[in-house]
Amino acid sequence: QKEVEQNSGPLSVPEGAIASLNCTYSDRVSQSFFWYRQYSGKSPELIMSIYSNGDKEDGRFTAQLNKASQYVSLLIRDSQPSDSATYLCAVGSGGYNKLIFGAGTRLAVHP
Amino acid sequence: DTEVTQTPKHLVMGMTNKKSLKCEQHMGHRAMYWYKQKAKKPPELMFVYSYEKLSINESVPSRFSPECPNSSLLNLHLHALQPEDSALYLCASSPRTTLQRDIQYFGAGTRLSVL
Repeated sequence: QKEVEQNSGPLSVPEGAIASLNCTYSDRVSQSFFWYRQYSGKSPELIMSIYSNGDKEDGRFTAQLNKASQYVSLLIRDSQPSDSATYLCAVGSGGYNKLIFGAGTRLAVHP
Repeated sequence: DTEVTQTPKHLVMGMTNKKSLKCEQHMGHRAMYWYKQKAKKPPELMFVYSYEKLSINESVPSRFSPECPNSSLLNLHLHALQPEDSALYLCASSPRTTLQRDIQYFGAGTRLSVL
């Protein structure tokens, strides 16, 4: 059974702090990794994609991938209350790049 | 533009009704997906169409019937649903140009309530 594990949270951080979200996966041959943000009652919105080991930065967001450790993370710098949402880690798996989602981490940024 | 349009936004149906959900994209994407999401759970894959052919059926009950009339349109036909089928139904699409780096973009979803 291919699995993606995330801490469900809530992860509570003060405004302006760095939020660190973590994800581990079980399928060693996975090659694509995604972070989606989902506000309550809304659909998932792509935040970041990462395919190679190392860091990838986009504005306040940095995704980090370590395939040897089967670990992917998302850092959110200068966290804002508007970042409060559930963050879903998704891993592409199999011939059709089927997405396996983690359970999601709920982030709460308080003023 | 990464827009996937789903209609209706909300749907209430009885257990004997027949209804359909519609999903449309005009990005030239060649793969389309149906997901089901229950409250506080991640999306669960139901079906995948790749180049208009059904590629994956995740052992979904036959009361859910997908249809892909063309590369831009995906339907989900519903019949004799149960109250436990109440959920947010999400459609997604992806380009399929590079399989290992294929990115799925989600529509806003249809909130379904089965009475």
